[in-house]
Amino acid sequence: NAGVTQTPKFQVLKTGQSMTLQCAQDMNHNSMYWYRQDPGMGLRLIYYSASEGTTDKGEVPNGYNVSRLNKREFSLRLESAAPSQTSVYFCASSPLDRGSGNTIYFGEGSWLTVV
Amino acid sequence: AQSVTQLDSHVSVSEGTPVLLRCNYSSSYSPSLFWYVQHPNKGLQLLLKYTSAATLVKGINGFEAEFKKSETSFHLTKPSAHMSDAAEYFCVVSKKGYSGGSNYKLTFGKGTLLTVNP
Repeated sequence: NAGVTQTPKFQVLKTGQSMTLQCAQDMNHNSMYWYRQDPGMGLRLIYYSASEGTTDKGEVPNGYNVSRLNKREFSLRLESAAPSQTSVYFCASSPLDRGSGNTIYFGEGSWLTVV
Repeated sequence: AQSVTQLDSHVSVSEGTPVLLRCNYSSSYSPSLFWYVQHPNKGLQLLLKYTSAATLVKGINGFEAEFKKSETSFHLTKPSAHMSDAAEYFCVVSKKGYSGGSNYKLTFGKGTLLTVNP
């Protein structure tokens, strides 16, 4: 039961470096998401993909890009990392892009520190 | 517009005593409501969800929540706390019904940290 798998789990970057967070789900879900979690802020949506081939901005997309590589995989790229992007990143997936009752399943998180 | 307010950032209880985590929401639409739990250094796990069926929803690990439309509340309760319940809990509201593109919205509360004392 892998569910949602994201890598790496921990990463330290220098300001200005780039990196890609990888995410894959094995539940045949249509929709995938990237969130960031900061202390006292809850989770905020960065980008989401309702289905293969589509992506949309969430609340806090600046400084990030995404790629929905296929139905299983959804990657998040930081082109030029900034200290403000120090956060815990969660990938998630759900069966359909509907607001009603479709459970979102989360990965275990990626801890990113930008120094 | 929709929002969710978790009324307590930190709740501390003794093992074996009841747990109450409070959540109020606002939504222009008929909402779906969820409670998620996050243990340290882990992802979020669904505890329970309300989607307009029964207003009293039972979840995993003995938790339940009651949807009260008149009070716009969805409080999480458990009769008897266990040490393993210590975690952060998130109340989440989502817009009901199909909404593609940028209209899709899932709003998280800021979380309530539950501490269970022996």
